[in-house]
Amino acid sequence: GNSVTQMEGPVTLSEEAFLTINCTYTATGYPSLFWYVQYPGEGLQLLLKATKADDKGSNKGFEATYRKETTSFHLEKGSVQVSDSAVYFCALIRNTGGFKTIFGAGTRLFVKA
Amino acid sequence: DTGVSQDPRHKITKRGQNVTFRCDPISEHNRLYWYRQTLGQGPEFLTYFQNEAQLEKSRLLSDRFSAERPKGSFSTLEIQRTEQGDSAMYLCASSSPGLEDYEQYFGPGTRLTVT
Repeated sequence: GNSVTQMEGPVTLSEEAFLTINCTYTATGYPSLFWYVQYPGEGLQLLLKATKADDKGSNKGFEATYRKETTSFHLEKGSVQVSDSAVYFCALIRNTGGFKTIFGAGTRLFVKA
Repeated sequence: DTGVSQDPRHKITKRGQNVTFRCDPISEHNRLYWYRQTLGQGPEFLTYFQNEAQLEKSRLLSDRFSAERPKGSFSTLEIQRTEQGDSAMYLCASSSPGLEDYEQYFGPGTRLTVT
């Protein structure tokens, strides 16, 4: 079946540190891949997306590259800020069938000043 | 249009009571989805509508749950005889068939607490 696996948290970093949150997926066909962010007390917000192999999604200093050969979509940021503290969800949508979003379990990030 | 809206934002109910939630999608979106998110987990798919037709239901959606989208616009999710295990955030999302990546836009959610 289709699934998303992401690294367990929490991840605790100091401000300006480099961030990597690993995400791998299992899916038939060629899914679209997403990272969503959920700030404390708020709803899900789309952070970035990629629709085909080798595409790089980027937003607010975050990047992720769609790697079909390793079925991965790791999230990176060169220098995190306290305001990046949130829960990050990796997700996929298959481009056939019901198009439902399949989410990973989420990774909580704490950034210390 | 200001995005997907959900009502109420919070609901506290006693076990055994029925509850109903409403979702208003983005107006031009014909696909509407319901998800459930429990603490510390990612959202899980419950059901999906294309216009007024309910096309897919998850096994998570027991017979106490029913969803409707009578005119292909807003949708309701009803839970009958609530149980404590139903406590969760219920999320609604919508999308348009014109989007190549099938991106879904999420509402703020309805947090249900069953006491």
